[in-house]
Amino acid sequence: GDSVTQMEGPVTLSEEAFLTINCTYTATGYPSLFWYVQYPGEGLQLLLKATKADDKGSNKGFEATYRKETTSFHLEKGSVQVSDSAVYFCALLTGNQFYFGTGTSLTVIP
Amino acid sequence: GAGVSQSPSNKVTEKGKDVELRCDPISGHTALYWYRQSLGQGLEFLIYFQGNSAPDKSGLPSDRFSAERTGGSVSTLTIQRTQQEDSAVYLCASSLVGGAFTGELFFGEGSRLTVL
Repeated sequence: GDSVTQMEGPVTLSEEAFLTINCTYTATGYPSLFWYVQYPGEGLQLLLKATKADDKGSNKGFEATYRKETTSFHLEKGSVQVSDSAVYFCALLTGNQFYFGTGTSLTVIP
Repeated sequence: GAGVSQSPSNKVTEKGKDVELRCDPISGHTALYWYRQSLGQGLEFLIYFQGNSAPDKSGLPSDRFSAERTGGSVSTLTIQRTQQEDSAVYLCASSLVGGAFTGELFFGEGSRLTVL
């Protein structure tokens, strides 16, 4: 079945460090791919998305490129901030069904 | 507010009791999802409602779990005879479906259930 596998955490980085959170997927069709973020004490919210191969989603300095050949959608940010501390979830959508990864906790220290 | 509202935010109950969790989606959103988030686990799909169609109940873990959505708006997730393994955060999300569907889910803050 369709599924998402993402890098396990927790991840701790110093401010201004480079971030990569790996995400790979398995899908029978042509899914859309998403990154959702959950800040402390808040609900999940959409960070970025890509709907077809080679699309790049970007928001708040984060980027992810839909790579069909490697079935990946890795999240990257060139310089993290303390305010980026959160749990990040990779997800795919096929039809009306979403599949979420287990989440990666990121802590950025000053 | 204009977001997805869930209640209660916290619920502590004794094993064997029934609980009801409520979700009030964003007005106009025809799709509504329930997920369960256990410690160290991802979001586990429970049930999906879309308009007046029959719900997709394929994720409900046992017959102790049920959900309904009245008038295409508010939804209630009911867990009967709660067990300790039911302890989790129950998340509700809504979205637009159809021509306006962007794939974006709008989540509530969740209902944390603790079964003693």
